[in-house]
Amino acid sequence: EIVLTQSPDFQSVTPKEKVTITCRASQSIGNSIHWYQQKPNQSPKLLIKYTSESLSGVPSRFSGSGFGTDFTLSINSLEAEDAATYYCHQSSHLPVTFGGGTKVEIK
Amino acid sequence: EVQLVESGGGLVKPGGSLRLSCAASGFSVSNAWMSWVRQAPGKGLEWIGRIRGVSEGGSTDNNAALKGRFIVSRDDSKNTVNLQMNSLDAEDTAVYFCASNRLAVAGWAFDSWGLGTQVTVSS
Repeated sequence: EIVLTQSPDFQSVTPKEKVTITCRASQSIGNSIHWYQQKPNQSPKLLIKYTSESLSGVPSRFSGSGFGTDFTLSINSLEAEDAATYYCHQSSHLPVTFGGGTKVEIK
Repeated sequence: EVQLVESGGGLVKPGGSLRLSCAASGFSVSNAWMSWVRQAPGKGLEWIGRIRGVSEGGSTDNNAALKGRFIVSRDDSKNTVNLQMNSLDAEDTAVYFCASNRLAVAGWAFDSWGLGTQVTVSS
């Protein structure tokens, strides 16, 4: 099973700051990483697919990068509505797995 | 508009069984790969299993960690995906989500999720 390790677990950030979340895979997975945002009592929402591909309706301040084992989700100029937990997900190998999540709090 | 709505959750005793359903609208589940994912209280996401689209044979893939207790199926006439859960214990207490892989939309990323249904295993 591929283990995805996210860091940090928690981040408290001032609005307009930049947020960087990392996701490290236990073995190479190419570009098969996807990122989700989950707000309290809601289901996850797909933000970024295949490392860096944006999706319609997702603000452009969300971006992703990486390849192989190390991946990053960046949120440029954080807004209050971005308070949520963010998860990475690998689809390269079964079972598909998720990172442990990074909770982003607005100061 | 794509929508997934889960149902069937509730309180079940240890050792019991439960069947969840996920009703889809806005697309045909037979043309997608449909998964179930769960989230224990205050915890992260765990993939349970999936069923392939009709054109890919409709077979299933399961998370071996769950030891064959959970079975994913599909009812194309109702446009639903089901999860049969057996031999439940307290560690299965979680919110259960269905999620779709519409390959033409987002490949193997989960492009849509339901709101989830709560399953509580307790005596």
